[in-house]
Amino acid sequence: GEDVEQSLFLSVREGDSSVINCTYTDSSSTYLYWYKQEPGAGLQLLTYIFSNMDMKQDQRLTVLLNKKDKHLSLRIADTQTGDSAIYFCAASPMDSSYKLIFGSGTRLLVRP
Amino acid sequence: DVKVTQSSRYLVKRTGEKVFLECVQDMDHENMFWYRQDPGLGLRLIYFSYDVKMKEKGDIPEGYSVSREKKERFSLILESASTNQTSMYLCASSVSGGGAVTQYFGPGTRLTVL
Repeated sequence: GEDVEQSLFLSVREGDSSVINCTYTDSSSTYLYWYKQEPGAGLQLLTYIFSNMDMKQDQRLTVLLNKKDKHLSLRIADTQTGDSAIYFCAASPMDSSYKLIFGSGTRLLVRP
Repeated sequence: DVKVTQSSRYLVKRTGEKVFLECVQDMDHENMFWYRQDPGLGLRLIYFSYDVKMKEKGDIPEGYSVSREKKERFSLILESASTNQTSMYLCASSVSGGGAVTQYFGPGTRLTVL
């Protein structure tokens, strides 16, 4: 089945760009998602990308998808302290319209 | 705005107790989910329901059961709580259908089993 992997921790300085990486195993995954979890809260959808796209931009967020390498990244421009959170990558397998396979989450720490 | 609420933010129970975690959503979503979240393991699906009284096992259903008697409410039951069920439990809901489907999450219940 699908497996999604992320590095566990990233630390950046305020104002720098952050890049959070994710790899997945199932090349037939139709949609790939980024969720954000702030301390003490549930997950919120940040953005998603359809598998036939290479890039999607939404204000400070840029998602890049390399389908050949099964690699997804989330770039946050001008990172702020309010961006400190856990970021989860998730994949939607082709054989399931409802199921999401989540990575382990990357904890982003933004230093002032 | 979609709202998913969970009955408790924090819960402390003893080994062997029966535990009920409740989740309610207000957007008439067909699908509801229970996950557990553990550090370094991400979210793992326990059970899923796609309609009233309908359920499917997720990746880690052992030791858990669920109930969905009304569309808006999905309950997770620990029949006999054990210490290895100490975790954060997250409920989510979504609509059915093709395309990108957003799951909306509740704030979570942190369960400690002593």
